[in-house]
Amino acid sequence: GAGVSQSPRYKVAKRGQDVALRCDPISGHVSLFWYQQALGQGPEFLTYFQNEAQLDKSGLPSDRFFAERPEGSVSTLKIQRTQQEDSAVYLCASSSSGTGRNTEAFFGQGTRLTVV
Amino acid sequence: AQRVTQPEKLLSVFKGAPVELKCNYSYSGSPELFWYVQYSRQRLQLLLRHISRESIKGFTADLNKGETSFHLKKPFAQEEDSAMYYCAPANSGNTPLVFGKGTRLSVIA
Repeated sequence: GAGVSQSPRYKVAKRGQDVALRCDPISGHVSLFWYQQALGQGPEFLTYFQNEAQLDKSGLPSDRFFAERPEGSVSTLKIQRTQQEDSAVYLCASSSSGTGRNTEAFFGQGTRLTVV
Repeated sequence: AQRVTQPEKLLSVFKGAPVELKCNYSYSGSPELFWYVQYSRQRLQLLLRHISRESIKGFTADLNKGETSFHLKKPFAQEEDSAMYYCAPANSGNTPLVFGKGTRLSVIA
């Protein structure tokens, strides 16, 4: 079927506004990852789900960032009270079983967030 | 601390010339290593993984545990190889990839 789908593709938010970014992983993929990619930088890990369980959220930069995957499929990354430093491309990836041996991570196109 | 270093931000080579994109890592245990590539206006995608010992699009990468390196090589660069390349180690099991800052390869005709 289709690959990882993210929406919206572009989001402009005023500083202080809350935003929600959606990720539809590949059907049946157990693991889901969120990354933040600032301009000219590599993707930085934010958080990781295995099914509905959030196993690692060590990369979330502040308590304004929150992610959920309540039914083990679609995930939402929410950013409250956005700041200019939140401007980045947010990437979602899914894999059939973690990212260990022989398991490839498939990435979405990303959501470009611009905070003005 | 886990760290991956790609020392070159930009690498420009002429078509037909050899290419080597460097990656050094600092990891506990025995990580698995991947190279991901992002072509213009496309999503990030897996290029190759060290466990497979395969050649993809003419690229190979050898894991050197002594030097903790996983450099990506291609003997003859093609224009379509122009892209951003990211080295990404991961501990085995259900752990996330950690990406380097990336190297932009530009192949000049």
